[in-house]
Amino acid sequence: DFVMTQSPDSLAVSLGERATINCKSSQSVLYNSNNKNYLAWYQQKPGQPPKLLIYWASTRESGVPDRFSGSGSGTEFTLTISSLQAEDVAVYYCQQNYGTPYTFGQGTKLEIK
Amino acid sequence: QLQLQESGPGLLKPSQTLSLTCTVSGGSLSNSGFYWGWIRQPPGMGLEWIVSFYYDGTTHYNPSLKSRVTMSVDTSTNRFSLNLNSVTAADTAVYYCVSHRSGTYAKGFDPWGQGTLVTVSS
Repeated sequence: DFVMTQSPDSLAVSLGERATINCKSSQSVLYNSNNKNYLAWYQQKPGQPPKLLIYWASTRESGVPDRFSGSGSGTEFTLTISSLQAEDVAVYYCQQNYGTPYTFGQGTKLEIK
Repeated sequence: QLQLQESGPGLLKPSQTLSLTCTVSGGSLSNSGFYWGWIRQPPGMGLEWIVSFYYDGTTHYNPSLKSRVTMSVDTSTNRFSLNLNSVTAADTAVYYCVSHRSGTYAKGFDPWGQGTLVTVSS
């Protein structure tokens, strides 16, 4: 199974500052035939289902603000929020959809400092 | 716009069978290219994928739950169901129905239903 490990578990960032969340996969999620990384990022606010933010490691879902960006390849990935807004307070999850069983990171709780 | 909605009992006793239904609107279970499935989240904890199925009958299970999971599909009503037998308190969770694309177009789980809390308690 792909084990997804996020760091840190929690993060406090000042409004307007940059937030960075890391995700490491135990195996590569890069599909060589099309050079896509099957890694997604989700945002979950209290009482709501997760929302897909980024797929293929770096492609923003339609409607997601451009302050959210994803990077990385193979086994190491990063979600960056360039300028934290109050509405970004949430838990963020990475997830591999390279193969089953699909697996998620344990989540990173992002708060305002 | 594709939308999913879960329904089912919120309280079960240990050893009973959990049965949930997901109603799909804005799309068809028979659409090629889409998988339909379930994910759960214990209170205050992370996300666990349970199962995904394709319109041709292909079904992928989480090995940790496969022995207790049954999926069924009713294309006439555009609904699919999850049965999880022999539940214990460890099965207490919010259960989400989800959709996702297949193969090289796989992007991740989207959309999600709002989720339904199932509590297992004697």
